[in-house]
Amino acid sequence: GAVVSQHPSRVICKSGTSVKIECRSLDFQATTMFWYRQFPKQSLMLMATSNEGSKATYEQGVEKDKFLINHASLTLSTLTVTSAHPEDSSFYICSASRQGTNYGYTFGSGTRLTVV
Amino acid sequence: EDKVVQSPLSLVVHEGDTVTLNCSYEVTNFRSLLWYKQEKKAPTFLFMLTSSGIEKKSGRLSSILDKKELFSILNITATQTGDSAIYLCADTLQGSQGNLIFGKGTKLSVKP
Repeated sequence: GAVVSQHPSRVICKSGTSVKIECRSLDFQATTMFWYRQFPKQSLMLMATSNEGSKATYEQGVEKDKFLINHASLTLSTLTVTSAHPEDSSFYICSASRQGTNYGYTFGSGTRLTVV
Repeated sequence: EDKVVQSPLSLVVHEGDTVTLNCSYEVTNFRSLLWYKQEKKAPTFLFMLTSSGIEKKSGRLSSILDKKELFSILNITATQTGDSAIYLCADTLQGSQGNLIFGKGTKLSVKP
């Protein structure tokens, strides 16, 4: 149980275009999902907390107009990287928590974004 | 500032060795500590620790939390090459909606 599906797993896009990443909880409802970013050889850094039906909460230094987060349902959150630039190339991972279990926080499989 | 510190940052051992990975933390309103294994993609969950002194085990892996000294260890016995990965430690905080504060990770390499 507690499966989180993230799509796409890998995307290459041109500079200036936008990319949408989806994160779905497959067998549970997630009122809250988290988006992380990981640079090479570094740990996961929380970007924002996505709340179903309300605005996301962004961490300091994360541009909310650049990284658009939508949590339209209890099983789906999306992260859109707008007007992507090469420095946005990174590994993006979502996670969700299934309340009342010992699963901890289940991660999606991640998305490797390369902006050329 | 809340922080999680892992040591060592990297470790190279041979198959069959036993390793101990360390995680210390300084956080306000601690709720739980989690260990993850990260290979090429997203982290996979290993353990969640909330109480001091209670060892959790899964096969050759075990972990324990000391809330007085603010640290946790992850032990791996009889290491195998498949244990090679980055091991991440993270804290969750009371009232934080559950977001994780990660350490930088320990990169473990197990050589045949």
